[in-house]
Amino acid sequence: GQSLEQPSEVTAVEGAIVQINCTYQTSGFYGLSWYQQHDGGAPTFLSYNGLDGLEETGRFSSFLSRSDSYGYLLLQELQMKDSASYFCAVNTGGFKTIFGAGTRLFVKA
Amino acid sequence: AAGVIQSPRHLIKEKRETATLKCYPIPRHDTVYWYQQGPGQDPQFLISFYEKMQSDKGSIPDRFSAQQFSDYHSELNMSSLELGDSALYFCASSPGGHREQYFGPGTRLTVT
Repeated sequence: GQSLEQPSEVTAVEGAIVQINCTYQTSGFYGLSWYQQHDGGAPTFLSYNGLDGLEETGRFSSFLSRSDSYGYLLLQELQMKDSASYFCAVNTGGFKTIFGAGTRLFVKA
Repeated sequence: AAGVIQSPRHLIKEKRETATLKCYPIPRHDTVYWYQQGPGQDPQFLISFYEKMQSDKGSIPDRFSAQQFSDYHSELNMSSLELGDSALYFCASSPGGHREQYFGPGTRLTVT
């Protein structure tokens, strides 16, 4: 089967740094993406890794190690508005994307 | 900037009825995806289209069908609706590949 594993919940304080890990086991792999979703809203694209290494976009960074089937999303200078669900997603080939179960991030004042 | 448009935003149907959800991708995006998201769950991939041709299928029930038209808009047709079909249905589009997907606001379907 295909699976993506990520923690169900993470809690951090405002201004801190938090890392959300994702390990995957899929039949194909063409890239790892991260999406943010606020309650009642639509997923919003955050970052993409097609190759090993770190990608940085403002306060968000994402890392990929294909040999370890592992990636993470790093959120810096946390703000209250970052409280949301974060999904890792793998493109398994063609135009098919499998999402992880999501990590709910709670940011405390 | 133009975003993905979905209609209707809310839909209430009874069991065994049919429903049609519409999606208008961002202009010049050639790939459309459909997802189903239950409460507290992750988006489940249903089907995708590339350049108006069906590309990949995921966990889409046989009762569901979809197509993409010449103007690139897409429709998801759902028949013999069941209570378990109640969910948020998202359409997403991407430009020339699958690096990033832009999601529409979703259609909330309630089956009673």
